[in-house]
This record gives sequence, structure tokens and C-alpha cells, in this order.
Amino acid sequence: NAGVTQTPKFQVLKTGQSMTLQCAQDMNHEYMSWYRQDPGMGLRLIHYSVGAGITDQGEVPNGYNVSRSTTEDFPLRLLSAAPSQTSVYFCASSTDYEQYFGPGTRLTVT
Amino acid sequence: DQQVKQNSPSLSVQEGRISILNCDYTNSMFDYFLWYKKYPAEGPTFLISISSIKDKNEDGRFTVFLNKSAKHLSLHIVPSQPGDSAVYFCAAALYGNKLVFGAGTILRVKS
Repeated sequence: NAGVTQTPKFQVLKTGQSMTLQCAQDMNHEYMSWYRQDPGMGLRLIHYSVGAGITDQGEVPNGYNVSRSTTEDFPLRLLSAAPSQTSVYFCASSTDYEQYFGPGTRLTVT
Repeated sequence: DQQVKQNSPSLSVQEGRISILNCDYTNSMFDYFLWYKKYPAEGPTFLISISSIKDKNEDGRFTVFLNKSAKHLSLHIVPSQPGDSAVYFCAAALYGNKLVFGAGTILRVKS
């Protein structure tokens, strides 16, 4: 089991560019979510999905888009990157409360 | 409006002694609480959890205590080891799998 995998590990974007952060899990978990971690803020929920075809917004969804076409994959799209989106992004999956996290993507927007 | 607060940004403890990490919450509807541990450049890993219907849960060196009337939970690590040095996040669950995290506490265990 690879668990939760995320690509890329690092990314630098210019303001206004778009990109997709990839997340995949091989544990057949229905629930998947995206968080961002900023200094002094803990992890904040961006979007989540309770199963293929079903997504919903979390605490900080603005500027991000998600879709869930398969159980395994849950990509996060930045539509037009802004410096405020500089952060570390974590994807997680679970069947219940205990969530399994990926290793993270460190994104810098200049 | 932070619903989950970890008021101590850092804690330093001698090896072999007890580490106590604290967490306060404001929403009485939270029904499940978890502690996660995070090393640099890695994702958080689940450590221990407790349901709102219990007041204590123990797993080896780790014990979590919940005081619902005070809306407070704490994580005790006994004895502390250098490998426990990490960032510890408290999280609370509302409406199923959605977690609300605290800002984290950096634990340093000195040998």
C-alpha cells in the first residue's frame, strides 16, 4: 500500500498561473479532503469529498476547484494563483474520523 | 474565530519526564477529538483519539484526557523520548469526517 500520494512535492508559480495538485489513495477510502497549512494557523480545510462525484467546500475554498471522478483521485486546481496561496498543501483520506495524510506539496506563488 | 485553540506554541521537556500538551475548544457540538503528530517535511500522522462520551483514552505512552465541562483536552506522553520531538496538532470532528485543527504545539524533548 502506497497510502496517500501527492505530486509534485514542490512548485513555484507566478501570479495568475494555474495548476493542478494531484492526490491519489489506494486504500479505497470514500472520504478525501484538502488542507492548507500556514504558520500559526494549523491546517485549514479547503474542499472535501464524501465519494466519487460528490464534493463540497470547506473553511477556505476561494480560489480553488476540485472534482472527484474516481474513488482513488482527488485533484486540487488553482485557477489563478495569488501570493496568498503560498502554503503547504496536504491531501487526506479516511473511512471514519481518523484521516491519513499525504506528504504534502509546498507551493510558492511569486 | 478559532474553534480549536492550542495556546502554547512550544514546550520543552527533559527526556524521561512527562509532556503535557493542552487544547481548548469552543464548540460543544464536537463529538470526536484527535491528536496528530507531524515531523518536518512530512504529513501529519494520527496518534490517538477520544470520543466525546469518554473522558480518557490510553495507548502505550500516550493518554488523552477530555474535560467536556471545561471544553478542554490534553495529551500526556510518559515517559517522553527524543523521538517524540515534533509538532502536535489537536483536532476536533464536527459532522462526521470534517476536522477542525488547532495551530499546533512544537514539542522538544531534550536528552
